[in-house]
Amino acid sequence: RKEVEQDPGPFNVPEGATVAFNCTYSNSASQSFFWYRQDCRKEPKLLMSVYSSGNEDGRFTAQLNRASQYISLLIRDSKLSDSATYLCVVSRYNQGGKLIFGQGTELSVKP
Amino acid sequence: NAGVTQTPKFQVLKTGQSMTLQCAQDMNHEYMSWYRQDPGMGLRLIHYSVGAGITDQGEVPNGYNVSRSTTEDFPLRLLSAAPSQTSVYFCASSYQGAGSEKLFFGSGTQLSVL
Repeated sequence: RKEVEQDPGPFNVPEGATVAFNCTYSNSASQSFFWYRQDCRKEPKLLMSVYSSGNEDGRFTAQLNRASQYISLLIRDSKLSDSATYLCVVSRYNQGGKLIFGQGTELSVKP
Repeated sequence: NAGVTQTPKFQVLKTGQSMTLQCAQDMNHEYMSWYRQDPGMGLRLIHYSVGAGITDQGEVPNGYNVSRSTTEDFPLRLLSAAPSQTSVYFCASSYQGAGSEKLFFGSGTQLSVL
């Protein structure tokens, strides 16, 4: 079983839709959690960290459920520019280091 | 402001050939790592380094060697290429401690082994 698992999608949604991605991780020792974004086989870039209390960054909301070992990312009011692959990432260390990536969820936002 | 420079961008090898993927960063990052990305598999950690002279294995180290003689450089060596090593390779770096969640990636190397 992979340490970090995501639904690979693709998710095809119209502009303005709300879409949610889920991610589960198997190692209960995981300490920190992130979402990265990757455009069309380019290098991944950090989208946001995920905090225990949940956190929001504009149209993006991340949630963490340590008991269920589950992370989510919600995107509201989807834009065409949100089309990308979203990577769920965990680390066993408090602030990062040695990041373990999920296989990614592909999002395609259509006009 | 170069960031992480990774070369070459594309490479075709024959089975059994050796080569080195180069990675250099100019941000004085302590942490550097190599990932490979295959369809449906996500990024998998090959090797990483927490500072000059220190390296360690990741999830999929077999067939690859690394060294870290300077803070700036972290080359990845394939000693005897195999078709299973056909992949996209990314080098990354970050600070240790605070800020280490933000990996700075190179632009990737598309490697094909025939």
